[in-house]
Amino acid sequence: KQEVTQIPAALSVPEGENLVLNCSFTDSAIYNLQWFRQDPGKGLTSLLLIQSSQREQTSGRLNASLDKSSGRSTLYIAASQPGDSATYLCAVTELTGGGNKLTFGTGTQLKVEL
Amino acid sequence: NAGVMQNPRHLVRRRGQEARLRCSPMKGHSHVYWYRQLPEEGLKFMVYLQKENIIDESGMPKERFSAEFPKEGPSILRIQQVVRGDSAAYFCASSPGQDQETQYFGPGTRLLVL
Repeated sequence: KQEVTQIPAALSVPEGENLVLNCSFTDSAIYNLQWFRQDPGKGLTSLLLIQSSQREQTSGRLNASLDKSSGRSTLYIAASQPGDSATYLCAVTELTGGGNKLTFGTGTQLKVEL
Repeated sequence: NAGVMQNPRHLVRRRGQEARLRCSPMKGHSHVYWYRQLPEEGLKFMVYLQKENIIDESGMPKERFSAEFPKEGPSILRIQQVVRGDSAAYFCASSPGQDQETQYFGPGTRLLVL
């Protein structure tokens, strides 16, 4: 059974810092890995999707890497801003018989302070 | 193109009542996924449906929960005889219909059972 773990559970940093969020998964037979953002009381916004054949994806100040063999991914946020404050979720898509069921981690709650 | 829509956004029920949660996928999407987020826990997969078919219900509780996605109209997640432990945020996601496509999430329905 796939298990996804995110470290740290919570993180508070001053504005402008570069930071790294970590995600690990137990079964390397994944199709892809996604990073999402969840704001309080809101839905999920997809930030980056990395296919299993890829090593990293970049979007603006965000960079996500994937090491499938070791079961790890990192989300790097450059020059953090207060607007980045949210919960960041990592999810993997497993190679199943159909569809793309996501298995989520419990998230990292990020607070960027002025 | 409107995003995934869910209603109601908030639902309050007393123990023993029924809860009906609706999800309208994005236009052109024929695959729907339901996830549940219990307080202080990550999102957990419940069920995956295509039009008129349940493809994977491995995450659904065995009793009281059912889901459908009729040919016409929204997908419905139905919870009979609700209990306090059903209090959670229920998220719906849709995808275009091909395997391993990105899922687009709705804003969720927050169910509170008194």
